[in-house]
Amino acid sequence: GIQVEQSPPDLILQEGANSTLRCNFSDSVNNLQWFHQNPWGQLINLFYIPSGTKQNGRLSATTVATERYSLLYISSSQTTDSGVYFCAGWGAKNDYKLSFGAGTTVTVRA
Amino acid sequence: SAVISQKPSRDICQRGTSLTIQCQVDSQVTMMFWYRQQPGQSLTLIATANQGSEATYESGFVIDKFPISRPNLTFSTLTVSNMSPEDSSIYLCSVETANTEAFFGQGTRLTVV
Repeated sequence: GIQVEQSPPDLILQEGANSTLRCNFSDSVNNLQWFHQNPWGQLINLFYIPSGTKQNGRLSATTVATERYSLLYISSSQTTDSGVYFCAGWGAKNDYKLSFGAGTTVTVRA
Repeated sequence: SAVISQKPSRDICQRGTSLTIQCQVDSQVTMMFWYRQQPGQSLTLIATANQGSEATYESGFVIDKFPISRPNLTFSTLTVSNMSPEDSSIYLCSVETANTEAFFGQGTRLTVV
């Protein structure tokens, strides 16, 4: 499968700050998603974004498929944004198997 | 979208015993996926389960340790057999909808003592 690299591995924010998380892929992707894992372990779907830009409230994401990367923007961060953010995708030659990055652990301090 | 009900949500088990995790989906899906997430790590695919055929296991995972059933298009189980403390992880089931978006169950947090 494809290799997925996420950066930064850890991020500490003051409440109200903005941040950008990045995901790089080793090959072309047909499916790219961002997830937020809450403290109970549940994976919450944030964006399904093979290309282009999407926004949902304070979160937005951009995927530049031709350059094999995706960005997740968090604006006006809140303590509830804390958790681990994963990006995942499967490559053009892969059989529906998602490859996950190592995740970015975000801590938002009040 | 897809709604997946996974249970149990957590369990504490004695070493040497087995635990069966269930996943129920609110719609028919061709493939279901089982993942393991070890403490502090990312998700690793265990196997892909198709209805009516044997599951396909990823490298490092074997059927004797992680038997999977897929009796119909909305249900699957994963059993963690002969458990040891190293099996303590979060186990998650997943499906992909027609447009290839993946959805996950709530996860099962397993602790082996």
